[in-house]
Amino acid sequence: EVHLVESGGGLVQPGGSLRLSCAASGFTFSSFSMHWVRQAPGKGLEWVSYISSSSSIHSADSVRGRFTISRDNAKNSLYLQINSLRAEDTAMYYCARPLISSGWSGFGYWGQGTLVAVSS
Amino acid sequence: EIVLTQSPATLSLSPGERATLSCRASQSVSTSLAWYQQKPGQAPRLLIYDASNRATGIPARFSGSGSGTDFTLTISSLEPEDFAVYYCQQRSNWPPITFGQGTRLEIK
Repeated sequence: EVHLVESGGGLVQPGGSLRLSCAASGFTFSSFSMHWVRQAPGKGLEWVSYISSSSSIHSADSVRGRFTISRDNAKNSLYLQINSLRAEDTAMYYCARPLISSGWSGFGYWGQGTLVAVSS
Repeated sequence: EIVLTQSPATLSLSPGERATLSCRASQSVSTSLAWYQQKPGQAPRLLIYDASNRATGIPARFSGSGSGTDFTLTISSLEPEDFAVYYCQQRSNWPPITFGQGTRLEIK
């Protein structure tokens, strides 16, 4: 069974940094691209960043230059380094995996999320 | 960036009724469109991918249709557990991947 478990969220001051982690199990992690998606309180879903199985990356304009996605296939783990945090980055951060390993099939698996709150 | 516009924002129906949710793209996404259901305090759940393919374990009462710029999610007969927020998502011309703003399906 596929499991994705995020961690690393918390309360941080504006301008601060956090490193989010997503521990994956139940599938061959190295074969799948992975994504981060966030959701501000009471708001909709926003795609944040993508990393391919070979570590090519894409990020949303709103986070480019501040957020860095990475992966460690040996540890079955996905990461999101978030720097220069702003109040508008306050959100639940989810890691998500495509339903299948090739092509586009939507995000078939999601973690439970980790909450990032930015406030002084 | 492709903008997805969902309508209506809120849909009030009774169990047993048919629900029709719309998602319109600002430019063609072919069939690279997915639908998600999200309940309070939970992560989204994939319902439909490639516009019309049901994901694993999704009941047959959920169906998706459309291509290009106009898409529909239909729930043929609402069950109590179907009342939630629904999002569409595209990955045709990316980055970025974009989501619609959501449709809240509430009990009438």
